[in-house]
Amino acid sequence: QKEVEQNSGPLSVPEGAIASLNCTYSDRVSQSFFWYRQYSGKSPELIMSIYSNGDKEDGRFTAQLNKASQYVSLLIRDSQPSDSATYLCAVGGNEKLTFGTGTRLTIIP
Amino acid sequence: EAGVVQSPRYKIIEKKQPVAFWCNPISGHNTLYWYLQNLGQGPELLIRYENEEAVDDSQLPKDRFSAERLKGVDSTLKIQPAELGDSAVYLCASSLSGLNTEAFFGQGTRLTVV
Repeated sequence: QKEVEQNSGPLSVPEGAIASLNCTYSDRVSQSFFWYRQYSGKSPELIMSIYSNGDKEDGRFTAQLNKASQYVSLLIRDSQPSDSATYLCAVGGNEKLTFGTGTRLTIIP
Repeated sequence: EAGVVQSPRYKIIEKKQPVAFWCNPISGHNTLYWYLQNLGQGPELLIRYENEEAVDDSQLPKDRFSAERLKGVDSTLKIQPAELGDSAVYLCASSLSGLNTEAFFGQGTRLTVV
């Protein structure tokens, strides 16, 4: 089992709709959870961090964390073509910060 | 505030040659990471520093890779000799302190070994 798992996609969402990206992790003692956006040929850019169970909202982005289910998600509301990118989930624990392989998101105009 | 700065942005070398990458983290950030990213994959940790101490180098191929972080600020990652399979993007990231603080990436160095 991979430490951090994401559906590789591609995930296609119509413009204006909600995009939902999911991530599961294996280490129960994980403490911090991050979402990064990576455009093709660019480096990862941090967009959200979450540390406690529940929802955290920042503009059009909402991160959701459920530690009991070892699950973290990212919702993007009112999706725009500029949201087309690969989204990386990262999980921090006692020993390492581990990344998933990313989900490629395409917003269809 | 300046972000993480890496150089060079691109490097093409012949196999068996040495290569070095440089990283200047965000001012005040104690934690520095070197990651390797292959196409279509997530970043994979090579080494993590807390100040000048390498606290996790378990994934660093020590027969050919070396790293240093003098004075707990700038860092250099070296490969000697380079192999074809080392072609990848090398990413440096820094965070304020520890694994659970937000990490910010530099622009990366794209290495091509021919």
